[in-house]
Amino acid sequence: AQSVAQPEDQVNVAEGNPLTVKCTYSVSGNPYLFWYVQYPNRGLQFLLKYITGDNLVKGSYGFEAEFNKSQTSFHLKKPSALVSDSALYFCAVVTGRRALTFGSGTRLQVQP
Amino acid sequence: DSGVTQTPKHLITATGQRVTLRCSPRSGDLSVYWYQQSLDQGLQFLIQYYNGEERAKGNILERFSAQQFPDLHSELNLSSLELGDSALYFCASSPDSLGAYGYTFGSGTRLTVV
Repeated sequence: AQSVAQPEDQVNVAEGNPLTVKCTYSVSGNPYLFWYVQYPNRGLQFLLKYITGDNLVKGSYGFEAEFNKSQTSFHLKKPSALVSDSALYFCAVVTGRRALTFGSGTRLQVQP
Repeated sequence: DSGVTQTPKHLITATGQRVTLRCSPRSGDLSVYWYQQSLDQGLQFLIQYYNGEERAKGNILERFSAQQFPDLHSELNLSSLELGDSALYFCASSPDSLGAYGYTFGSGTRLTVV
């Protein structure tokens, strides 16, 4: 089985400050890990992915994520948050012959 | 525009009815996935088709069925609708069967059952 946990329903951060959105996963086998963002009344947009290789992955809009195998984590980070980053963020994992399993989502609120 | 087209965008129907949601994948993608997004259950995987064949099945109710046609578009059929089926239904596509490249999502169909 595969599962993803996003322990925070909401993250609040001031504009210009660094942000972290947490994600941990549970799989048997090597995971493919993803982050997606959802804006109101829109579909999910791909941000970044980890398949193999460098543990620090850079993605769209200045976001990055660090794969930590020992902690089974894949936290999303950005050095300086923008108000326009406010959205719903989903972590997802897939391994083997399965479809993407999504976490419950974390709402990011960036205050001006 | 993601390249994945879902129709209709909105659908309002009565309990007990049947509806069909349509999805055209991004050009070149062979896999189509259906997800249900509701407030209390997040994003739930329903079913995947790859090149016309069912590839993986998730939490899809027996009242729901899907298929992928030779031109690779897919339809999700929901029957005997209940109030609890009200949700946002997303279609996604990927070029491969494993989703290693990630999925491209459509903008969804919002289904309201009254």
